Parts: sequence; structure tokens; C-alpha cells
Amino acid sequence: DAKTTQPPSMDCAEGRAANLPCNHSTISGNEYVYWYRQIHSQGPQYIIHGLKNNETNEMASLIITEDRKSSTLILPHATLRDTAVYYCIVRVGHSGGSNYKLTFGKGTLLTVNP
Amino acid sequence: DADVTQTPRNRITKTGKRIMLECSQTKGHDRMYWYRQDPGLGLRLIYYSFDVKDINKGEISDGYSVSRQAQAKFSLSLESAIPNQTALYFCATRQGPGELFFGEGSRLTVL
Repeated sequence: DAKTTQPPSMDCAEGRAANLPCNHSTISGNEYVYWYRQIHSQGPQYIIHGLKNNETNEMASLIITEDRKSSTLILPHATLRDTAVYYCIVRVGHSGGSNYKLTFGKGTLLTVNP
Repeated sequence: DADVTQTPRNRITKTGKRIMLECSQTKGHDRMYWYRQDPGLGLRLIYYSFDVKDINKGEISDGYSVSRQAQAKFSLSLESAIPNQTALYFCATRQGPGELFFGEGSRLTVL
């Protein structure tokens, strides 16, 4: 199983872009990178995922390096409500196909300051 | 109404008591999961089920058991609760390769 490394905490000013890094140097060629966030003891919320191409949705952008050993989640205009723990996860296969589980690490606590 | 509902939301019990946490979903998803969260730690997987007949242990299954009564229901049991099982428990669902949808959590305190 590919493991991920994230900084334990980061700060960002409100209105600025928040760039959250994740290292996954042992990722396999068919493993996806997922991002979730958890706002103070609520259930985690899906943000975005990708394989090797950069991805963007209404919440964030995901930039994956060409060698796929690291990625960055970008919140383009952080707000106070984006303060949360952000989890970077690499998909773990079970019996192949769509049967897989996700393992959450400790994540990065992003604090958006006014 | 929430798509993934956990009951109870809060429970205080005593050591040695049997506890059941229930999870029901209205999303029609086939896959269901139970996670545990402790302060300062991430979410750790207890059990997961890919369908009613397929139940698998996660990384911390000791002291827990589960039952998938129907596609929509997945219960977590602590046969004899102990204080170090005090934690926040989350149920989650997914359909195929899609994202996980989490419940609001069940906070369990074992005295």
C-alpha cells in the first residue's frame, strides 16, 4: 500500500490560495490520489481525486507531478469555512476492479486566518 | 434527512457493557465502512463490507464485530466495551469506484 506524507499543519490568509502538499513516493501506476477534508468532528467530505492528469472541480484543483510521487491540493480563494483537516489518500486495491478501501492518515490541519 | 444516518449520536456506557452502533443509508450504495477516530489520529478502518455477503476486517477489528443486515444497514458491535474504545465512530458508504459519503458520527464514551 502506498503511504502518504503530509505536513501536520498549515496557515493561510483568507482570500489567498491554499496549497496543501502530499508526498506519495511509493504510489503504483494504477493507484489514484484522493483528497478529503474534515471540519471539526463532522464526517469527512470528498474533495477531488486524480490518477495522473491535473483535475479541477468547483471546490479545488489537484496538481499531480509528472512522476506521480507528489501532489498538491489547491483551494484558490480560501475562506474561514475552509479551516479543516485535509487528508491525502492513495487508493488501496482489494480484489481488483472497483473493490477497494481507503485508509486515512493524520492529514494536514489547515487554518484560514482573517 | 441525511443520506447516511448513524444512531446513537452520543452514548455513554460502562466497561463490560454490550454496545451496538447502527448505520443506515438511503443512497442505495453497495459498499459500507466503519471507521474510528481518536484525538490527534486520523481515521482508522475497523470493518468494511462490499455487499451483504462480503465483510472484511480493517486495520483495527479486534474487540469489534459487524453485521450487514441488508444493503442499507451496517451495524458495529462492541461485545464488552472497554475504556480505550472511547472514540468518535463514523460510518461511510460508496457505490463502486465513487467517493465515500460519511455519516455525522457517533461519539462513544466508555467509563
